[in-house]
Amino acid sequence: DIQMTQSPPSLSASLGETVSIECRASEDIYSNLAWYQQKSGKSPQLLIYYASSLQDGVPSRFSGSGSGTQYSLKISGMQPEDEGVYYCLQGSKYPFTFGSGTKLEIK
Amino acid sequence: QIQLVQSGPELKKPGESVKISCKASGYTFTDYAMHWVKQAPGKGLKWMGWINTYTGKPTYADDFKGRFVFSLEASASTANLQISNLKNEDTATYFCWSPFAYWGQGTLVTVSS
Repeated sequence: DIQMTQSPPSLSASLGETVSIECRASEDIYSNLAWYQQKSGKSPQLLIYYASSLQDGVPSRFSGSGSGTQYSLKISGMQPEDEGVYYCLQGSKYPFTFGSGTKLEIK
Repeated sequence: QIQLVQSGPELKKPGESVKISCKASGYTFTDYAMHWVKQAPGKGLKWMGWINTYTGKPTYADDFKGRFVFSLEASASTANLQISNLKNEDTATYFCWSPFAYWGQGTLVTVSS
């Protein structure tokens, strides 16, 4: 199975600050990487797919990059509504695997 | 618009069974696979497997082989997850998911004596 190592586990950012979350795959996943935001008690929401494609309706302050085994999500200018838990997902090979999550809070 | 609407919360005793439904609308049901994801309280997301909505063939992740069954009522555009012989560790919210964008609202299953 492909392991997804996500870091950091938690993050505290000031309004307007730029933050980054990383995911490392245990093998090449050929950009089959998605990022999700989950707010408390809600379903995950897709932010980025195929490593760098922005899902319709997602603010442009969210961006994704990476290839091979290393991927990152960047939020350029933290907003209050960006608080939540962020997960990466590899969809390259079954079983699909999620990262362990990053809890993002406002400082 | 595409929607996945799941059945309501369940409270069960250990050893009982539960069936969760996920009704799809806004697209042709058989065009896209349906996946299931488990989220234990305060924990992360765990992929359980998927069902081919055209053939009905299920595929289970290793941790979900045996007591878990994915099924379809294709005429009703509905996917189901049945869990038998419930254990305390099955307490979780279960999501249906049509990769990558569409999620059900989640169904909380609580197993308690």
